[in-house]
Amino acid sequence: QKEVEQNSGPLSVPEGAIASLNCTYSDRGSQSFFWYRQYSGKSPELIMSIYSNGDKEDGRFTAQLNKASQYVSLLIRDSQPSDSATYLCAVMVDYKLSFGAGTTVTVRA
Amino acid sequence: GAVVSQHPSRVICKSGTSVKIECRSLDFQATTMFWYRQFPKQSLMLMATSNEGSKATYEQGVEKDKFLINHASLTLSTLTVTSAHPEDSSFYICSARGAELAETQYFGPGTRLLVL
Repeated sequence: QKEVEQNSGPLSVPEGAIASLNCTYSDRGSQSFFWYRQYSGKSPELIMSIYSNGDKEDGRFTAQLNKASQYVSLLIRDSQPSDSATYLCAVMVDYKLSFGAGTTVTVRA
Repeated sequence: GAVVSQHPSRVICKSGTSVKIECRSLDFQATTMFWYRQFPKQSLMLMATSNEGSKATYEQGVEKDKFLINHASLTLSTLTVTSAHPEDSSFYICSARGAELAETQYFGPGTRLLVL
C-alpha cells in the first residue's frame, strides 16, 4: 500500500464556517481519489470522488485535485453539526484503496 | 442501489475459536471484494482482495492461513478468522466493486469482533 497523509486534527470549526481538509499522496500512479466520511463506530461512506485536476463541487462539498503537487483537498461549506465526523482521504492504484489516517472534524453549534 | 451488507454486525468469541464474517452485495454483482481491518483510532488497512472464483490476494503482513477468504459467488464473500486471539479484536469491513461501477467501492457496515 502507498502512503497517504492527511493534515493532523482534530479540526474544530463553528457552525456555518468552512472546514478545509488536506491530503497528500506519494504514488504518482494514483488514478482516482476519494473522500469518505466515517462516524464513530460506523463504516466509511463515500462523499466525493475526483479523477482529474481541478475542482469538483457537490452540494456543500468541493474536492480539489492537483496531480502535479500530489495533493487533494476537501472543503465543507456552511458546516453543520451533523458534519462532525472523521474524514478519510483515499487514493486508488490498480483498483486498491489506500487510506489516510483521517482528520476528525468537530462542528461547534 | 449499491448496497453491501455484513453479518454479523458484532461478535464476541473465546480465544482459540474461529469466526466467520459474511459480506454480500445486495443489488449488484461484485466482481471484486475487499476486506479491511480498522483498529481503534487508526485508519482502514487493506487485508486482502478477492475475485469471484479465484484465490484471494493478501497484503504484505497478513497471514493467509489465519484469515481465510472465500468468494464463491458474485454476491458473497466470507472472511474466517481462524484460532482467534485477543489481538485479532478489531473492526472488520468489507467493500465491493462491480464491473459497471469499477471506480467506486461500496462499503459494508462492518463487523466488530471481540476475542476474549
